[in-house]
Amino acid sequence: NAGVTQTPKFQVLKTGQSMTLQCAQDMNHNSMYWYRQDPGMGLRLIYYSASEGTTDKGEVPNGYNVSRLNKREFSLRLESAAPSQTSVYFCASSDGTARTHEQYFGPGTRLTVT
Amino acid sequence: GENVEQHPSTLSVQEGDSAVIKCTYSDSASNYFPWYKQELGKGPQLIIDIRSNVGEKKDQRIAVTLNKTAKHFSLHITETQPEDSAVYFCAASPLSGGYNKLIFGAGTRLAVHP
Repeated sequence: NAGVTQTPKFQVLKTGQSMTLQCAQDMNHNSMYWYRQDPGMGLRLIYYSASEGTTDKGEVPNGYNVSRLNKREFSLRLESAAPSQTSVYFCASSDGTARTHEQYFGPGTRLTVT
Repeated sequence: GENVEQHPSTLSVQEGDSAVIKCTYSDSASNYFPWYKQELGKGPQLIIDIRSNVGEKKDQRIAVTLNKTAKHFSLHITETQPEDSAVYFCAASPLSGGYNKLIFGAGTRLAVHP
């Protein structure tokens, strides 16, 4: 049981390049989330998927797109990277039922845009 | 929308002392308040949470208190140990069905000195 996995761990992009961050969970969770973490700002929600087949914007969606590929996988795409998107990105998942609301986080992807 | 403020941003204590971290929130609709611990190079991990129908919750050396009227909640760690050193985040969420959109505070870096 690996929990939440993210690839890659590190990435350097040039301004204008595109890339996709991958996330997968093996806990049969319904809900998945993408956050970014910047110094002094905590974690901010970019997009989330309450259940397979649905996605919604979070606090800071501009410049990003997401795909809920299936119940296990939730990807985050940067179409044209900008230096302001330099950050650590975390994927998380949760059961998605009223039974528990704990979110389980992956180890993060450290992205630098030059 | 919801805004969560967290204080202090850094906290240094001696081993065995208590540590208190405080958060305030703005949206009276928020009814779920988790605390996450993030160790260096890892994703955040839930350590305790509280719902708005409860004023206090304890789990061994950690406790959380909630004052709905004042819209603030606090994390209390007693008998601190070096392994408690980490960044702690509070969050608030208006639960909507089974999933939750967490709004995080900026974090508190706790250092416990032997």
